[in-house]
Amino acid sequence: DIVMTQSPDSLAVSLGERATINCKSSQSVLYSSNNKNYLAWYQQKPGQPPKLLFYWASTRESGVPDRFSGSGSGTDFTLTISSLQAEDVAVYFCQQYLTTPQAFGGGTKVEIK
Amino acid sequence: QVQLVESGGGVVQPGRSLRLSCAASGFTFSNYGMHWVRQAPGKGLEWVAGLWYDGSNKYYADSVKGRFTISRDNSKNTLYLQMNSLRAEDTAVYYCARDSGFGESWPLDYWGQGTLVTVSA
Repeated sequence: DIVMTQSPDSLAVSLGERATINCKSSQSVLYSSNNKNYLAWYQQKPGQPPKLLFYWASTRESGVPDRFSGSGSGTDFTLTISSLQAEDVAVYFCQQYLTTPQAFGGGTKVEIK
Repeated sequence: QVQLVESGGGVVQPGRSLRLSCAASGFTFSNYGMHWVRQAPGKGLEWVAGLWYDGSNKYYADSVKGRFTISRDNSKNTLYLQMNSLRAEDTAVYYCARDSGFGESWPLDYWGQGTLVTVSA
């Protein structure tokens, strides 16, 4: 089974500053046949279900602000918030969906400093 | 708009059973795979089970294999999770989520609000 590891567990960033979240998979989630990384990012605000932000590692879901970006390939991925806004306070999860069982990272809590 | 509404959660004793339902609307239910994902209080997300758009393929996390059964009724636009032999560690909010494809190797693009299952004596 593929294991997903996120870092850090939490981070506090000043408004307008950059936030960077890392995600590492125990095996590559790059499928060579289509050159796609089977990696998604989700945002979960308190009391709400998760919301899909990115899929194929870097494809932004409709309606997601462009201050969010996803990058990486193979086993190492990054979610970046270029200029943190108050409404971005949430827990962020990465997920691999290449193989069953699908697996989520442990989550990264983003707060305002 | 896509809506997923879970029901059936509650407090149940260890060893007993519970069946969760997820009513879907706003899309052609029979075209999409579906999943259950759970979240223990204050913890992260754990994928539980998934099945294809037509119910032909089903798959489970090791932690629930042999105890939980996922199913769907496309005529009723409803997803189910039959949970037997419940344990304290099954206590969680259970979300149903839509697969953005046929049911395997696609991200989860819509989620319900969740239903809380508490397993306690």
